[in-house]
Amino acid sequence: DQQVKQNSPSLSVQEGRISILNCDYTNSMFDYFLWYKKYPAEGPTFLISISSIKDKNEDGRFTVFLNKSAKHLSLHIVPSQPGDSAVYFCAASAWVGSSNTGKLIFGQGTTLQVKP
Amino acid sequence: DSGVTQTPKHLITATGQRVTLRCSPRSGDLSVYWYQQSLDQGLQFLIQYYNGEERAKGNILERFSAQQFPDLHSELNLSSLELGDSALYFCASRGSSETQYFGPGTRLLVL
Repeated sequence: DQQVKQNSPSLSVQEGRISILNCDYTNSMFDYFLWYKKYPAEGPTFLISISSIKDKNEDGRFTVFLNKSAKHLSLHIVPSQPGDSAVYFCAASAWVGSSNTGKLIFGQGTTLQVKP
Repeated sequence: DSGVTQTPKHLITATGQRVTLRCSPRSGDLSVYWYQQSLDQGLQFLIQYYNGEERAKGNILERFSAQQFPDLHSELNLSSLELGDSALYFCASRGSSETQYFGPGTRLLVL
């Protein structure tokens, strides 16, 4: 059962344009969401996160939007740069009982290619 | 640099063998998480330790075990290795925030 889904395996955009990466989830208990960027043979690098009490969080060129009713989040990168080319993972964590252990459930990833 | 270190970077071994992967968390972080990334399964949570105690378990095989030591470094032990255990193994550490910071990973190849 894939609780976090990234339905687009790949995305190609032109340098300077907007990149929009999407993520859907099924578990309504998820209360914290994160985006990671990953290069081959390296560990995931944290990009940006959002709590379920917010609908938007912005950090420089990166903005994450959360639509709780649709169980959908998206990462916007504006403007896109060739150095942004990597695999992007969304991840979610949930409270279980009275604690949040923080274990992350990851989507399958979307490979972003930004063309010069 | 996330501040999380993992050794070794690469490991090649044979089926049936036992290996130990090591992780040092960021300074001050009490939580350590282990994840496995295989080609067909994506990033899967294995186990979490907090200040030396096991806190949560995921889909970790019985052949695998982990521990966290008083200095907060953690080791993941994989035994009776099978071909299907070949994967990237990541550890991550977490402090007071919700964010986990990942190490560079250990690439395990079982021949």
